[in-house]
Amino acid sequence: EDQVTQSPEALRLQEGESSSLNCSYTVSGLRGLFWYRQDPGKGPEFLFTLYSAGEEKEKERLKATLTKKESFLHITAPKPEDSATYLCAVQAHFGSRLTFGEGTQLTVNP
Amino acid sequence: KAGVTQTPRYLIKTRGQQVTLSCSPISGHRSVSWYQQTPGQGLQFLFEYFSETQRNKGNFPGRFSGRQFSNSRSEMNVSTLELGDSALYLCASTVWSELGTDTQYFGPGTRLTVL
Repeated sequence: EDQVTQSPEALRLQEGESSSLNCSYTVSGLRGLFWYRQDPGKGPEFLFTLYSAGEEKEKERLKATLTKKESFLHITAPKPEDSATYLCAVQAHFGSRLTFGEGTQLTVNP
Repeated sequence: KAGVTQTPRYLIKTRGQQVTLSCSPISGHRSVSWYQQTPGQGLQFLFEYFSETQRNKGNFPGRFSGRQFSNSRSEMNVSTLELGDSALYLCASTVWSELGTDTQYFGPGTRLTVL
């Protein structure tokens, strides 16, 4: 059974204080690892897809990396508007279903 | 392009009733997936439809069902509602990449409250 564990559950940062979120996974053949951002009362917003170990992707203040067992979402010099829940999900080789972690709730204080 | 639309956005029902939720995917997308999101269980996969056929089903009871129409719009139905069915129901529209994976774009969700 595919499993995704995210840590920490919640993270409070000061504006400009960089940090990383962790996503550990076990999957029967990884087809893709996905990062989403979710604001309260809204659907998840797609951020990145990573396909193989060693891959990195960047978007503004966010950078996602992937190893064979985990992925990191690095947030550089965050701003209050980066406050949200960040979700990690894996997709196995067979089928489209995504298996999600519980998410990391990020709060960035001005 | 317009995003994924879901209707209604909010719904209040009582135990024992049934409910139908609707989802219109992004234009040109033929695959639709449904997820249930609750504080305790997180996001859990319900089912996936492609070209009017259910391709994949999650571990939910038979009270949860769905269908897809020829225009790719999808509906999900929950019969005999229970208090535990209160959740945010999310629909995702899928586009396939050149690398063979697919990316799911989510709608805003329907917030169902069962009293």
